[in-house]
Amino acid sequence: GAGVSQSPRYKVAKRGQDVALRCDPISGHVSLFWYQQALGQGPEFLTYFQNEAQLDKSGLPSDRFFAERPEGSVSTLKIQRTQQEDSAVYLCASSLVGRQGRGYGYTFGSGTRLTVV
Amino acid sequence: AQSVTQPDIHITVSEGASLELRCNYSYGATPYLFWYVQSPGQGLQLLLKYFSGDTLVQGIKGFEAEFKRSQSSFNLRKPSVHWSDAAEYFCAENNAGGTSYGKLTFGQGTILTVHP
Repeated sequence: GAGVSQSPRYKVAKRGQDVALRCDPISGHVSLFWYQQALGQGPEFLTYFQNEAQLDKSGLPSDRFFAERPEGSVSTLKIQRTQQEDSAVYLCASSLVGRQGRGYGYTFGSGTRLTVV
Repeated sequence: AQSVTQPDIHITVSEGASLELRCNYSYGATPYLFWYVQSPGQGLQLLLKYFSGDTLVQGIKGFEAEFKRSQSSFNLRKPSVHWSDAAEYFCAENNAGGTSYGKLTFGQGTILTVHP
């Protein structure tokens, strides 16, 4: 597609429920990032994929968070046993370049707003 | 640890007035710096970026930014603000301890309000 697509746009989960957030990057983009943006804050890095390989997951806040990109295109961020502190906007971004692309900006999706009640 | 500071949480300007949003970065080596804009309910849109070379960078929508190594700053400017510029602006740095894939560290953002 023309841009990075994320679904759902909004998700309300009861505390303890599992959720799955989907990201469709721009076709052919090698790099894919997930960021978490809490209310009133800047986005914070969660994890990075180069094609299907998860090269950095240092930003995942706990072992309840899991991300995958099995075929190197669509990615899913899964949060198990959601907690109220998980409430945030989850942003996905993709880039055409791979590991050498340090100086490049990315295309961000519109995000999924997760509210845990 | 690497950090990006945006000292102003909220700025209000009148339409047609000039604008400067401040950004300071902490990493001492050659930083890769970005400004993004986020409208309510939207993702982040890249305004401009600095890698090297000319320290005055031109971006989209009439924005520019100046890299000043001596001040560790990368301030965003616009000579005449339009009502449609009202949004939240984020400064970001891409270095992440030397990783080459470009993990971004963002500032906390500056909310811009434009009065008619």
